[in-house]
Order: sequence, then structure tokens, then C-alpha cells
Amino acid sequence: QKEVEQDPGPLSVPEGAIVSLNCTYSNSAFQYFMWYRQYSRKGPELLMYTYSSGNKEDGRFTAQVDKSSKYISLFIRDSQPSDSATYLCAMIGGSYIPTFGRGTSLIVHP
Amino acid sequence: DGGITQSPKYLFRKEGQNVTLSCEQNLNHDAMYWYRQDPGQGLRLIYYSQIVNDFQKGDIAEGYSVSREKKESFPLTVTSAQKNPTAFYLCASSIVPATNTEAFFGQGTRLTVV
Repeated sequence: QKEVEQDPGPLSVPEGAIVSLNCTYSNSAFQYFMWYRQYSRKGPELLMYTYSSGNKEDGRFTAQVDKSSKYISLFIRDSQPSDSATYLCAMIGGSYIPTFGRGTSLIVHP
Repeated sequence: DGGITQSPKYLFRKEGQNVTLSCEQNLNHDAMYWYRQDPGQGLRLIYYSQIVNDFQKGDIAEGYSVSREKKESFPLTVTSAQKNPTAFYLCASSIVPATNTEAFFGQGTRLTVV
């Protein structure tokens, strides 16, 4: 079992939909959780960063962490075609080395 | 502007040739990382360094080498021992240890064997 599991998709939604992206993990030492957006042939761009459990909101994006279930989510409201990209979750524990999920490909069609 | 710069953006390697990928950061970050990204496999850790003059192997270090002589620089050499080097290579950096430990990435180098 991989430390971080993420469904690769693709996830296809119409413009304006609410998107839910998820990751599960097995290492209970993970304390820092990140979401990255990666456009084709580009480096990942940090979207959201959270520490421990709870919610964090930034514009149309909400990151949610449930440490008891070892489950994290990224919600995108009012999705736009420009949101079409691969979304990577990443986690950091005591070693401070980021561990990544495989990424979920999101397609938002007009 | 602070950030991470990777060069070159595209690199072509002949069979049996060593090539070096450059990664420079001006964020004053302690830690630097090299990841390899293949389609459908996510990011796999090659090497990391959390302090100057020290580095550790990641999950797929075979066929690669690194150095960390300066805090700002963490070059990756892909040696001829790496049998399948065609991939997208990403360099990242972060502050260690600290509350804000998020990692920031460069724009990547796409290496192709010809």
C-alpha cells in the first residue's frame, strides 16, 4: 500500500460545478498537508497549505483535513475551464520530506 | 523575485552520456529535493538535502548523483547507469524545520534520450 493514495481520474465536470478532490494516507505522522495544481509541462504550483485537522478557505478553494480518518479533500467552487489541470496532494511528517499522491487530472468543460 | 530556477527546460541525452540538470533557489531555503515525474506515476523522490554538504538518497536514487556545495544550488547528474532516464525532472525547496514547511517547485526539466 502506498503512503498516499489519490485517484488519477480523469475527473470531467461542467463549468460551474463544485469539484471534490481527495487523498487518503496511511502514515499517522503526517501533520502538514498541501495541494498543488500542475498544468501540462509545468512545475507544480502550491494552492493550499494546512496544518493538522480542520478547514482552510482561499477564494474558490477549500482544503479540508480529517486526521482521524486519514483523509484530505480539496473543494473547488464555481469551477472554470482554467481550473483544468492535474491536482497533486502532498504531505509532510517528522522527516520534513514531502510525499506526493499520483495526482488527479481534472477537466472542466464549458 | 524569489523562486526556484531549473535549467535547461529541455535536454537531450545520447546513450552512455552523463548530463547535469541545474537547480538554483534564492528563497534562502534549507532543504532541496529532486523528483522524477513519469506519466501516471506521480512524483518520486530521487535525492534530498536538508543542509549544505549533506544529502540523502530517496526512493529511486540509482543512476543519479547530486552535490550540495552551496545552499542555493542542488545540481542533479543523470549518469549512464540510469537505464530509463527519459522523464520530467522537478526540483523543489523548503524551510526545515519550521511551521511553514510547504515545498515550492521549479518549472522542471524535460530530459529525453535520443
